[in-house]
Amino acid sequence: EVQLVQSGAEVKKPGESLKISCKGSGYSFTSYWIGWVRQMPGKGLEWMGIIYPGDSDTRYSPSFQGQVTISADKSISTAYLQWSSLKASDTAMYYCARPHPHCSGGSCYGYWGQGTLVTVSS
Amino acid sequence: EIVLTQSPGTLSLSPGERATLSCRASQSVSSSYLAWYQQKPGQAPRLLIYGASSRATGIPDRFSGSGSGTDFTLTISRLEPEDFAVYYCQQYGSSPLYSFGQGTKLEIK
Repeated sequence: EVQLVQSGAEVKKPGESLKISCKGSGYSFTSYWIGWVRQMPGKGLEWMGIIYPGDSDTRYSPSFQGQVTISADKSISTAYLQWSSLKASDTAMYYCARPHPHCSGGSCYGYWGQGTLVTVSS
Repeated sequence: EIVLTQSPGTLSLSPGERATLSCRASQSVSSSYLAWYQQKPGQAPRLLIYGASSRATGIPDRFSGSGSGTDFTLTISRLEPEDFAVYYCQQYGSSPLYSFGQGTKLEIK
């Protein structure tokens, strides 16, 4: 069974750094792109970027380029999303997601993590 | 940059009725690369439709997708109580590589 298990909720202060994780299991972690999606409170879904754990090829949405860093450690089947200096506007739920094999070219997400709630407040 | 616009923003219907949700793209989207998701409060999104018209595994046949080019539709033939949720369309391929519509909230009338 494919599973994506994310790290727990975080409460941080503005200016602090943070790294959240997404551990994949039940499939070959290096064979599928992993994406990150933001959902601000009461708002819609925003695609942030993706990583291919096999070679760490990474692509970002222009809206998030330079704001976050996506990485992966294939030895422990885990992808990461990190911030060097959080802002209050980073408060959101963050999901990792993996394409379903039926999605042509990896075009849609059939598997989702449970989400990590990040709260940034002074 | 491609923009997906969903309408209506909110749709109020009763169980048993038919729901029609629209997704319009600012530029043409390959039908192979248009998907629909359902999200309930406190849950991650769930893939309903991929390739514009193919149902994902386990999705009831009351859900159907159609459309091409810039206009796509999600239809729920007869609403069940568990169908009231927020629905998102999503495209792949244009900049940004993936993008979502703003969502349609389907609420009980």
